[in-house]
Amino acid sequence: DVKVTQSSRYLVKRTGEKVFLECVQDMDHENMFWYRQDPGLGLRLIYFSYDVKMKEKGDIPEGYSVSREKKERFSLILESASTNQTSMYLCASSLHRAEDNEQFFGPGTRLTVL
Amino acid sequence: QKEVEQNSGPLSVPEGAIASLNCTYSDRGSQSFFWYRQYSGKSPELIMSIYSNGDKEDGRFTAQLNKASQYVSLLIRDSQPSDSATYLCAVNPPGYSTLTFGKGTMLLVSP
Repeated sequence: DVKVTQSSRYLVKRTGEKVFLECVQDMDHENMFWYRQDPGLGLRLIYFSYDVKMKEKGDIPEGYSVSREKKERFSLILESASTNQTSMYLCASSLHRAEDNEQFFGPGTRLTVL
Repeated sequence: QKEVEQNSGPLSVPEGAIASLNCTYSDRGSQSFFWYRQYSGKSPELIMSIYSNGDKEDGRFTAQLNKASQYVSLLIRDSQPSDSATYLCAVNPPGYSTLTFGKGTMLLVSP
């Protein structure tokens, strides 16, 4: 069974703080993804990674950075948190295969920035 | 522009009925299609995947794909109140390892 874990279920931070969201998967997946989900806007891709030390911008990378130092771990960094980054953050992983690309999600981190 | 469209709902059905959820996509070369179920406050859970035209059945769920019409659907037979959730359609555009998600359809199954 694929297991994707995220470091926190709920997080409250203050404006201007640096925030780290951690994601770990245990199925040796090459691809890892960070999304945010907001009411009425659906799932939006922030960043993804095909391999260690590789990263690609998604649809809304502004205000975020990522780090992938190990295959199983993908971190999302909010350099200076702002109130408009209050959201549900979802991590996902998938195998790097052309024929399917099923993604499996972690439980999510609900971040509130005050 | 890669787009996946779903009716936001809510789609209301009585317990025991068939729920029909629909999705259209814009990228004609898309190869892989997925349905996720998301309960309120939880993360999306993969329930069905389909790759070729036709029907694919898994228990009470049937996914239907028509690539010529760029249309994917999910049928839920014998709907239960526990099926009440938002259902997300996701499409893998050609040449990408990412998925494009629709905004989801909320399904409400009343006892």
